[in-house]
Amino acid sequence: ELKVEQNPLFLSMQEGKNYTIYCNYSTTSDRLYWYRQDPGKSLESLFVLLSNGAVKQEGRLMASLDTKARLSTLHITAAVHDLSATYFCAVESREGAQKLVFGQGTRLTINP
Amino acid sequence: NAGVTQTPKFQVLKTGQSMTLQCAQDMNHNSMYWYRQDPGMGLRLIYYSASEGTTDKGEVPNGYNVSRLNKREFSLRLESAAPSQTSVYFCASRPGTVFRPQHFGDGTRLSIL
Repeated sequence: ELKVEQNPLFLSMQEGKNYTIYCNYSTTSDRLYWYRQDPGKSLESLFVLLSNGAVKQEGRLMASLDTKARLSTLHITAAVHDLSATYFCAVESREGAQKLVFGQGTRLTINP
Repeated sequence: NAGVTQTPKFQVLKTGQSMTLQCAQDMNHNSMYWYRQDPGMGLRLIYYSASEGTTDKGEVPNGYNVSRLNKREFSLRLESAAPSQTSVYFCASRPGTVFRPQHFGDGTRLSIL
């Protein structure tokens, strides 16, 4: 059974600092997705990572995938307040057609 | 661009009542999904439909039924609501082509007293 774990679950940081959110998963997969959710809102797709070594960047966010380690990271560079949100990783199971298993989410708060 | 539309946005039910949550997408996507979101647990898949005419159970299907009415619409029914089903429910859709992200609706906030 595929399990996905994120850490940390809560993260409070200062503007201008760098930090990394980790996403570990338990079974073989090479399809991983990152989403953002603002309070009371829907989920917005950020990145799609489809192969070992994949790296995607958008603004101050960069995501990477290491399928051998079963690990993805979401790196935040020089954080700004607008990046405050909850971030989810989701891994696509190879067993079931197109099913995603989500991590618990990381609630990120960026303070001025 | 409507995308994925869920109705209603909010609902309060009494234990034992029944209700259907509606979801429609206008992106011609083949696959549709129902999730529930509870604090600290991420999103958990209830049911999904890989294509029109098919439905399959997800991680937490007990107490729910679904209907893929046509390619656009995928409804979720609670036959006899229980307080444990208090949650935020999200519908999502995805093109039939794999390796594409799912698109989510705005959610239905359901409280069961």
